[in-house]
Amino acid sequence: SQTIHQWPATLVQPVGSPLSLECTVEGTSNPNLYWYRQAAGRGLQLLFYSVGIGQISSEVPQNLSASRPQDRQFILSSKKLLLSDSGFYLCAVGEQSYEQYFGPGTRLTVT
Amino acid sequence: AQKVTQAQTEISVVEKEDVTLDCVYETRDTTYYLFWYKQPPSGELVFLIRRNSFDEQNEISGRYSWNFQKSTSSFNFTITASQVVDSAVYFCALSELPAGTALIFGKGTTLSVSS
Repeated sequence: SQTIHQWPATLVQPVGSPLSLECTVEGTSNPNLYWYRQAAGRGLQLLFYSVGIGQISSEVPQNLSASRPQDRQFILSSKKLLLSDSGFYLCAVGEQSYEQYFGPGTRLTVT
Repeated sequence: AQKVTQAQTEISVVEKEDVTLDCVYETRDTTYYLFWYKQPPSGELVFLIRRNSFDEQNEISGRYSWNFQKSTSSFNFTITASQVVDSAVYFCALSELPAGTALIFGKGTTLSVSS
């Protein structure tokens, strides 16, 4: 079974600062990868998904971007954070069995 | 358009009570998948079950059971003899074809079990 790593676990950043969140996966190859965001008290919102290296689909227009430089690495970035970017960011792996497995998440607070 | 509704925002029960979490979904596809996830206070989502649209058999796993009814577009989750460790946010989710399509989540139900 796969293992999903996310770092950092928590992050406090000022408005206007850059962001880089990393997700790496072990135990699988060529997975679908996803970034979700969970705002306080709300459900999960899909931000990006990737079916392969360099292939990124964006679901929600925003100041965030994603990249997949390697098969099992997925990065979420921003050049300038907004207060509304605060939330819990979850990376997920999806395989042919349809369900998705989630990493431990990164809790981002923008101040 | 696909949609998942979890009408119960919060539920509070006392240990050993049975509790049912409701999930209603909308989709135009005839082939789809339904899921339940548990999110304990630590935050990580834990996969509980997957059901495809052609399998309406109820499923039981220990104290957990799931009731899938296509006629009412519902996929309800029952915890029997609840325990404090069951306290968490529970999410219902929907996925359509092809495999790998992103999950559509409901807003979640927060379950609090007190001793």
